[in-house]
Amino acid sequence: TQLLEQSPQFLSIQEGENLTVYCNSSSVFSSLQWYRQEPGEGPVLLVTVVTGGEVKKLKRLTFQFGDARKDSSLHITAAQPGDTGLYLCAGGPGNTPLVFGKGTRLSVIA
Amino acid sequence: DAGITQSPRHKVTETGTPVTLRCHQTENHRYMYWYRQDPGHGLRLIHYSYGVKDTDKGEVSDGYSVSRSKTEDFLLTLESATSSQTSVYFCAISESPSSDTEAFFGQGTRLTVV
Repeated sequence: TQLLEQSPQFLSIQEGENLTVYCNSSSVFSSLQWYRQEPGEGPVLLVTVVTGGEVKKLKRLTFQFGDARKDSSLHITAAQPGDTGLYLCAGGPGNTPLVFGKGTRLSVIA
Repeated sequence: DAGITQSPRHKVTETGTPVTLRCHQTENHRYMYWYRQDPGHGLRLIHYSYGVKDTDKGEVSDGYSVSRSKTEDFLLTLESATSSQTSVYFCAISESPSSDTEAFFGQGTRLTVV
């Protein structure tokens, strides 16, 4: 089983601060996804990155896929309380079901 | 929102009893999955299906069975529930298993085995 390690596991910051969440693996992934999950709900896809070195932006969120396709990062600029949630990275080597990291639980305090 | 309905949303059952969770989709997606989510473990795949009557095991399949007799329904059965199966169970669907394809999740079923 390919493992995805996420760090940090927990993050509590003040509104307006910047933060970065990491997703690392010893294996190469054909593509990688980031999901966000709110309490009592299922995960919802934020972005998919498929090319090594790729950078995607979604408003204040910036996602990067490592050149070797073994790691990814999520950077949030000027975090807001609405960004609070569980952030999950997920990937697979090809046509196999998604493997998920354990997640980063983010709390943004107003 | 993708049409995925999980039932029941909450269930409390006794150790040793059988339990069936249902996932119903209206998207006609070929692939359906059952995951469990536990603190410190994230989402772990239990079983998945790649078509009617076609299923395969995931990472944590022991103690669980599944059935898919129709495209739209995927059932997860705990033959004899144990306390270690207390968890939140999520059903997901996708058009392909590839990680460049979006997976859509249900709202989850919180199962407590006492």
